[in-house]
Amino acid sequence: EVVLTQSPGTLSLSAGERATLSCRANQSVSSSFLAWYQQKPGQTPRLLIYGASSRATGIPDRFSGTGSGTDFTLTITRLEPEDFAVYYCQHLTRSWTFGQGTKVEIK
Amino acid sequence: QVQLQESGPGLVKPSETLSLTCTVSGYSLSSGYYWGWIRQPPGKGLEWIANIHHSGTINYNPSLKSRVTISVDTSKNQFSLKLSSVTAADTAVYYCVRRYCSAVTCYIDNWGQGTLVTVSS
Repeated sequence: EVVLTQSPGTLSLSAGERATLSCRANQSVSSSFLAWYQQKPGQTPRLLIYGASSRATGIPDRFSGTGSGTDFTLTITRLEPEDFAVYYCQHLTRSWTFGQGTKVEIK
Repeated sequence: QVQLQESGPGLVKPSETLSLTCTVSGYSLSSGYYWGWIRQPPGKGLEWIANIHHSGTINYNPSLKSRVTISVDTSKNQFSLKLSSVTAADTAVYYCVRRYCSAVTCYIDNWGQGTLVTVSS
């Protein structure tokens, strides 16, 4: 069973700063099935990245995903006010495992 | 445009069975893809519950498998969730979703709005 561990749990940053979020799997997984979502309070999750590195439609290029094997990263190069939210990684094959989330909060 | 809509009781008593239905519009379940349920307890993270293909292939979260049943009714273009022996820990927003797959990747591309189910006497 794939287990995804996200770190840090909370990231306190200011607008304009760079955010680096980690997602680590307990076993090697295919990057084809690794996705990232953003969720704001009271909203459904929004797809940001699929296939570990492909941006979903309409996602600004300040969001980027990298990684392979067991280590994946979501980077937001310059935080905008609307980027403060919770971010989840997910691996989807037969099971659809989520990481526990990283909250990006305003410092 | 694919739309998913959850329906079911918002309040369930402890030890009873939670039942939810997801009605899909804009896409026929018989055409493919996996459909599933995800939940989110208040203030907590996302938890996958189960998924199903119209062909009948089903996958369950091992931690919930003993209490969960997922089914599909292609004639109504709906799929359903039953979770038995509920406790307060099952209080959550329940989302129905579609997993889209291309030749090279998969991701969840459609979510229902979510429905809050509270377990309380």
